[in-house]
Amino acid sequence: AQSVTQLGSHVSVSEGALVLLRCNYSSSVPPYLFWYVQYPNQGLQLLLKYTSAATLVKGINGFEAEFKKSETSFHLTKPSAHMSDAAEYFCAVKIDTGRRALTFGSGTRLQVQP
Amino acid sequence: NAGVTQTPKFRVLKTGQSMTLLCAQDMNHEYMYWYRQDPGMGLRLIHYSVGEGTTAKGEVPDGYNVSRLKKQNFLLGLESAAPSQTSVYFCASRNPDTEAFFGQGTRLTVV
Repeated sequence: AQSVTQLGSHVSVSEGALVLLRCNYSSSVPPYLFWYVQYPNQGLQLLLKYTSAATLVKGINGFEAEFKKSETSFHLTKPSAHMSDAAEYFCAVKIDTGRRALTFGSGTRLQVQP
Repeated sequence: NAGVTQTPKFRVLKTGQSMTLLCAQDMNHEYMYWYRQDPGMGLRLIHYSVGEGTTAKGEVPDGYNVSRLKKQNFLLGLESAAPSQTSVYFCASRNPDTEAFFGQGTRLTVV
């Protein structure tokens, strides 16, 4: 079975500070991993994805994530937070067998303080 | 290019009423999904389809039915709505080699 755990349902940072959102997965086979962002009253938008190529993945809006197999982690980072980054972020995993659907974490709401 | 369109965007139902949510995609995607989003629980898969005329159960299928008579449309039905079905519903679609694209969501309240 596959699952995704996001540590911290709420994260607050100051504008200009480092953003770190944590995601750990469990999977018995190599996974595909994704980060999605959801702005208020909107659908989910893809930030970045890992598909077994480079372990450091760069996404939109200055975000990146590093796949660490030994730690089963796929943490999302951004060097300098902007007010417009305030949103909810979801980590998701897809295994290429069976259901062919994404399994989502419970989400982390990012607040950016001025 | 509209992408994934969900209809309606908001709805209030009384307990026991029925309704159908429509999802339409114009990207010729093979796979389509219905998720529900509840606070602190992320998105949970209700039903999905891997092609026209096919459907399958996800994690939380009870109380819902789906149909995919046309490739571009995926309908989610509630036969007898319950307050526990108050949620935000998202439709998504993709091809095997693409990421999932999401609709804007349907906010459903069952009173």
